[in-house]
This record gives sequence, structure tokens and C-alpha cells, in this order.
Amino acid sequence: QQQVKQSPQSLIVQKGGISIINCAYENTAFDYFPWYQQFPGKGPALLIAIRPDVSEKKEGRFTISFNKSAKQFSLHIMDSQPGDSATYFCAASLNNAGNMLTFGGGTRLMVKP
Amino acid sequence: DVKVTQSSRYLVKRTGEKVFLECVQDMDHENMFWYRQDPGLGLRLIYFSYDVKMKEKGDIPEGYSVSREKKERFSLILESASTNQTSMYLCASSLDGLTEKLFFGSGTQLSVL
Repeated sequence: QQQVKQSPQSLIVQKGGISIINCAYENTAFDYFPWYQQFPGKGPALLIAIRPDVSEKKEGRFTISFNKSAKQFSLHIMDSQPGDSATYFCAASLNNAGNMLTFGGGTRLMVKP
Repeated sequence: DVKVTQSSRYLVKRTGEKVFLECVQDMDHENMFWYRQDPGLGLRLIYFSYDVKMKEKGDIPEGYSVSREKKERFSLILESASTNQTSMYLCASSLDGLTEKLFFGSGTQLSVL
């Protein structure tokens, strides 16, 4: 049973567009929600993360939106660029177990020039 | 920057063989992890270690064992490889149990024929 469900599995966006990836979780005890970015041939790398005490976190073109009542969070990539083409994973972890992550299934993003 | 090095990028083994996957980190991190990555399933935790000679089962430990004789090195062992263990294997490390950021290696693509 996957505790973190991610959608869509794949996404194609035109350069300059907005990429949106959604995740839903089941365990209300989760309290740390990171996004990892993985380029082909590389391991995932932490992109941005949020805690449930805020509804939004922005770092450059990347924004996490968090809806605690709906148990959902999403990654928005503004002004998407071909260099953003990668696989994105959402994840969640429990309080005081921050590095014990439960990952979503991943989204393969392609940004067309 | 933290470097997590996995000994092989690609491995091809036969059913029933004993397989060793090696991982070394160079930043004196306490915690080390082994994940497997499969399309649509994301990253699933196999085993982790929070100290030398210590190990804990993750979500999918069946068919695997691990060894951590030195702090910087964490090995994943497939005692008798099977075709359903064909996958991408990712090693990761984190500073300690309270630090949330994981640093990943580039992965080993294992094919069991």
C-alpha cells in the first residue's frame, strides 16, 4: 500500500509554462514533505521541502503548496525550462524521523523547447 | 560537497548468484540507506544503518542483507539473486538521525538473467 500517491506519472510542458505535480498522503502523522529531483544517470537530490505549519514555500521558480486538511501537497515549477526535464519525487516522513522517507511513485517531466 | 559513491553503474548477474553492491560516503555521515527504484513505484527502502554494525529493516528487506563494518561503507547483499531483483539500486546517506536531507549516489542498475 503506497502511503504517498503521486500524479501524473509523466508530464509534458512547453518552455515557459507551469509544471504542476501533485501528491496525496494518508498518514496524518507525517510532518515533513520534501521534493527530490533526479536527472538521468544521477541520484535524486533535494530540491525543496515544507512542513505543515505553512501553506506555501517558494524557492526561485519552485513552489510547494500544502493543504493539510486535504492531505495534499504539490510542486509548481514556474517558467519551466528544458533544463528542468527530470524525474521528480515527492516524499513524506514522520516527526523526529525526518530521514526515514516514504516516496511517491515519481513524475517524469519533459519541458519542450 | 558530500559524495556518495556506488562501485558499479551497471551489473549483470545470473539467477542464484550472490551479489554485492558497495557504497562509500566521504562525509562521516552516521546514517546510510539502500533503496531500490522501480518505474511507478518510486523509491522503496530496503535497509538502513544508523551506526557501524547496526542495521534495520526497511519496507522491502526480503531477499537482501546488509553489512556495515566501517562508518563510511555500506554494502547490500543479494544472497541468491532472482529475476525480480532486477532494478536500480540507490545508496544514500544523511548526517544523523535528526537531519532530514539525504545525499544519494548515482545508482547501480542490476540486471538478473
